[in-house]
Amino acid sequence: AQTVTQSQPEMSVQEAETVTLSCTYDTSENNYYLFWYKQPPSRQMILVIRQEAYKQQNATENRFSVNFQKAAKSFSLKISDSQLGDTAMYFCAFMKPSVSGNTPLVFGKGTRLSVIA
Amino acid sequence: ETGVTQSPTHLIKTRGQQVTLRCSSQSGHNTVSWYQQALGQGPQFIFQYYREEENGRGNFPPRFSGLQFPNYSSELNVNALELDDSALYLCASSLKLSGTYEQYFGPGTRLTVT
Repeated sequence: AQTVTQSQPEMSVQEAETVTLSCTYDTSENNYYLFWYKQPPSRQMILVIRQEAYKQQNATENRFSVNFQKAAKSFSLKISDSQLGDTAMYFCAFMKPSVSGNTPLVFGKGTRLSVIA
Repeated sequence: ETGVTQSPTHLIKTRGQQVTLRCSSQSGHNTVSWYQQALGQGPQFIFQYYREEENGRGNFPPRFSGLQFPNYSSELNVNALELDDSALYLCASSLKLSGTYEQYFGPGTRLTVT
């Protein structure tokens, strides 16, 4: 079974600074997807960024980028120019593709990020 | 906004009662997954429905059951509620075999069992 570990329960960052959230995972699969989801106090889980394991290039989405180290099974999220609206719980998630289509997400326990003005 | 809605927003039930939670998927999405998120934890997979049939289940007992309807809505039913069932329940819709594997989450239903 796959497991996802987020070792930082809470983090804080000054507005406009850069912060990195850590995630490690355990799997014997070679092909899989990794995601970072954001869950603000409104509770709506929002996809931040997605990485396909077969792609060596790290994914980027505006101020958000990942450092994907497949051999080390590490998938960290970097938020640049942090904004107050980035305050939320951040979840790292793993998905194993299958021939039958979408499969369940396996989530870590989350990191609570606070952006301070 | 993800286009996925859930009702009710909050619910309080007594131990032993039954509850039904509802989800309206994004239009055209043929797959819905339900997750349970206990306080301070990440979401845990309950089950998934594809074209009105259960298509996978996590480590949850049979008193957790579901339905999916042709109009892209779905239900999560929980019988014989226990205190540990208190959690945020999330549904997520997706388009099976779309190739993107992206799931769109609703805002959740907060269930409190007393």
